[in-house]
Amino acid sequence: DSGVTQTPKHLITATGQRVTLRCSPRSGDLSVYWYQQSLDQGLQFLIHYYNGEERAKGNILERFSAQQFPDLHSELNLSSLELGDSALYFCASSVGTSSTYEQYFGPGTRLTVT
Amino acid sequence: GQQVMQIPQYQHVQEGEDFTTYCNSSTTLSNIQWYKQRPGGHPVFLIQLVKSGEVKKQKRLTFQFGEAKKNSSLHITATQTTDVGTYFCAGAGNNRKLIWGLGTSLAVNP
Repeated sequence: DSGVTQTPKHLITATGQRVTLRCSPRSGDLSVYWYQQSLDQGLQFLIHYYNGEERAKGNILERFSAQQFPDLHSELNLSSLELGDSALYFCASSVGTSSTYEQYFGPGTRLTVT
Repeated sequence: GQQVMQIPQYQHVQEGEDFTTYCNSSTTLSNIQWYKQRPGGHPVFLIQLVKSGEVKKQKRLTFQFGEAKKNSSLHITATQTTDVGTYFCAGAGNNRKLIWGLGTSLAVNP
C-alpha cells in the first residue's frame, strides 16, 4: 500500500460525458502528479501540482483539467469524453517538487468510455 | 525536446536466465529513476541513480548509470516468475522534469 488513494476504482461512461477522478496523496506529500496509461502503452505525464499550484504540464488535452485543493487532494476532470480516453489514470505523490524525489503511485482509476 | 528511449519493448525469458533493459537519453540527465509495474498493478519505485558511473544493487537487480549520464541499465540475474512486469526508467534533465521511457515488459516462463 503506497498510501496514495484514488477513487473511483472503475468508471464506465458514455462519449460526450464528463467525469471527475479524485486522488489523495500520502500524508506529508505536497506534490501530486497525474498520468494516463492506455492499453500496452507507457505512462503519459499529464500534469503536476505542488501545494495547490500548477507546476508542470505534459501531454494534457484541453478537454482535461485538474486542480489541487488546500487539503492537498487533487481532482482530474475529463470532459467531452471520447472513446480514445479509455485508459488507466494514475495519480502519484511525492514529498518535494523536483524530480529528485521518488513518486508513490495510487492504484489507479480505470476509465471506460463507451 | 528531451527523449528517453527504452529497449527492448518486450522480452521473454526462461526462468533462471538473465535479463537486461536499457534506457537511453538524448540529453545528459541529472538523475534517473527506475520503477516496476506488476500486471494489473501500479508503478512502484525501485531506485534512483544520481552519480556518473554509479552502480547499485538490490539482491538480484543491478542498476547502472552511464559515465556520461545519458544512459542507464537494469540487469536481473537468474530471473524468477516474481520478476514479471514492466520496468520503466524515468530521467530528469536540467529542467528537473522527469521524462518517462515507454517501459520494457518482461515475461518469465517457468
